[in-house]
Amino acid sequence: AQSVTQLDSHVSVSEGTPVLLRCNYSSSYSPSLFWYVQHPNKGLQLLLKYTSAATLVKGINGFEAEFKKSETSFHLTKPSAHMSDAAEYFCVVSANFGNEKLTFGTGTRLTIIP
Amino acid sequence: GAVVSQHPSRVICKSGTSVKIECRSLDFQATTMFWYRQFPKKSLMLMATSNEGSKATYEQGVEKDKFLINHASLTLSTLTVTSAHPEDSSFYICSASFLPQVFLAEAFFGQGTRLTVV
Repeated sequence: AQSVTQLDSHVSVSEGTPVLLRCNYSSSYSPSLFWYVQHPNKGLQLLLKYTSAATLVKGINGFEAEFKKSETSFHLTKPSAHMSDAAEYFCVVSANFGNEKLTFGTGTRLTIIP
Repeated sequence: GAVVSQHPSRVICKSGTSVKIECRSLDFQATTMFWYRQFPKKSLMLMATSNEGSKATYEQGVEKDKFLINHASLTLSTLTVTSAHPEDSSFYICSASFLPQVFLAEAFFGQGTRLTVV
């Protein structure tokens, strides 16, 4: 069994300040974890993924996430928010090194304040 | 990168009619395609998984006779919503993978189809 909990449904930050989107997961074993971004009425774009290699994962557009097994967390961060970062973000888990189907979190809407 | 194109991006239909949504992998062969449904302000729910040339595998609670999925080639899968009702209105998204499962390879997502049944 696997599940994902995104701890905040909505996050607002000022432009130029750090972004933190929180995600906790539950997985039977060996999870692969992903962050996707969705702009309004658009499909999903992969930001980054963890697949049992380095625990600190760097993605596109300056985002990164750290896999912490002891805390079962995979939080997404960015040092400095841009207006274009405003979107919906999904944390996703797939157990068994990614062999299982994707299970999506409920999403976090990120708003950037000018 | 790999591109998945979904068509149409937006469709309005009358109750009782059927609607077909296409999902194409433009620059790779998609062994497996996935269909998701997204309710307003909610997450994506997997509806079914289809492998080229075989019957789709539906998730529990998804009516296979209502949501017909065909994966006739390695670059095309279609979702047909039959006898549509207003409660079928939703955002439908497909994704495609060039491996039998998503193992170590992110699934590539289409841009989605907004279906409105009136």
